[in-house]
Amino acid sequence: QVQLVESGGGVVQPGRSLRLSCTASGFTFSSYGMHWVRQAPGKGLEWVALIWYDGSNQYYADSVKGRFTISRDNSKNTLYLQMNSLRVEDTAIYYCARDKTTVNSAFDYWGQGTLVTVSS
Amino acid sequence: DIQMTQSPSSLSASVGDRVTITCQASQDISNYLNWYQQIPGKAPKLLIYDAFYLETGVPSRFSGSGSGTDFTLTINSLQPEDIASYYCQQYDHVPLSFGGGTKVEIK
Repeated sequence: QVQLVESGGGVVQPGRSLRLSCTASGFTFSSYGMHWVRQAPGKGLEWVALIWYDGSNQYYADSVKGRFTISRDNSKNTLYLQMNSLRVEDTAIYYCARDKTTVNSAFDYWGQGTLVTVSS
Repeated sequence: DIQMTQSPSSLSASVGDRVTITCQASQDISNYLNWYQQIPGKAPKLLIYDAFYLETGVPSRFSGSGSGTDFTLTINSLQPEDIASYYCQQYDHVPLSFGGGTKVEIK
């Protein structure tokens, strides 16, 4: 069965960095696009970033462009989100999600999420 | 960027009622529209993709319709397990975007 397990969340001070990981199993990871989606406490869903199945293209929300980097290691079945220059407003649960296709369509499987808290 | 506007933001209905949630895109997105359900404390779950295709395993009381800028999610015969927030999401243009969500409660 498809499983996505996020890790790497925690409490970090503003301006610092954090790297999230998402380990995939139960499917051919290298055949699917992958996303990061976040949800601030008590708020709605916000798409963060997308990477194509082969890592050849990445796209970002305006709110994180230039600060966050999405990447993947298909040999390790792992998705990453490098978050630099963190701000208080980046506080959220971060979900990784699989795309139904190689690039971009619907998010058909989600992880359980990892909480990132940015606070001094 | 494409803005997605959902209405209502919350609703209360009785078990067995038909519930309708609407989603409007700020520009034509064809049928590149998905719907998700999020039960409190859980990760979102895909219900409908490409505006009207039911995801495998989703009960048939859920249905989607629309194209262009106006879309609808319908729950026929609301059940207690449908208590959740519902989100639309467009993937016609990057940045991808979600609607603000609709919280469904039982009356």
